[in-house]
Amino acid sequence: AQSVAQPEDQVNVAEGNPLTVKCTYSVSGNPYLFWYVQYPNRGLQFLLKYITGDNLVKGSYGFEAEFNKSQTSFHLKKPSALVSDSALYFCAVRDRRNTLTFGKGTMLLVSP
Amino acid sequence: DTEVTQTPKHLVMGMTNKKSLKCEQHMGHRAMYWYKQKAKKPPELMFVYSYEKLSINESVPSRFSPECPNSSLLNLHLHALQPEDSALYLCASSQVTTGNTIYFGEGSWLTVV
Repeated sequence: AQSVAQPEDQVNVAEGNPLTVKCTYSVSGNPYLFWYVQYPNRGLQFLLKYITGDNLVKGSYGFEAEFNKSQTSFHLKKPSALVSDSALYFCAVRDRRNTLTFGKGTMLLVSP
Repeated sequence: DTEVTQTPKHLVMGMTNKKSLKCEQHMGHRAMYWYKQKAKKPPELMFVYSYEKLSINESVPSRFSPECPNSSLLNLHLHALQPEDSALYLCASSQVTTGNTIYFGEGSWLTVV
């Protein structure tokens, strides 16, 4: 079965510092990987995805993610965090039924 | 435009009531989804429609009844719900092709009293 794991329940970072939110995957075949963000009391917003091609994927709001096949990882990164980046982040994989299977989510808290 | 519109934003209903959640998209997507999300948990798939036909039902109780009247609309009919059904209900849509992005609406907050 296709699955993703987010090992951290929460990530704390100071504003202006780089941030990383971790995701590892377990899939058979080529992985289709996604990152979504959920602000308080809102729906999910698509940030970026990896389908094929360049291992460094750039997305919305200055976020990027690096696909690493040898480490089966797809970590979300941003060079300089903003307080407004504080939210719940979900990694997800497109499964064989063409639906999304989500990780448990990581809460990102950016302090001023 | 990548907009999925859900109404109502908030709904409070009694356990004997009948209500409906509505979802609309005008992106030409032919796959539409209902997910249920509890606070600070990942969304859980409930139903998938592909070309207006129900393709996936994740063993959801019959008190939830989905309907896809046309390619732009998706409804979720609610009847005799339980308090534990209180959650955020997310509608989403995508192209049917594998790998396409699934876009979510803002959700409908349901409280069952």
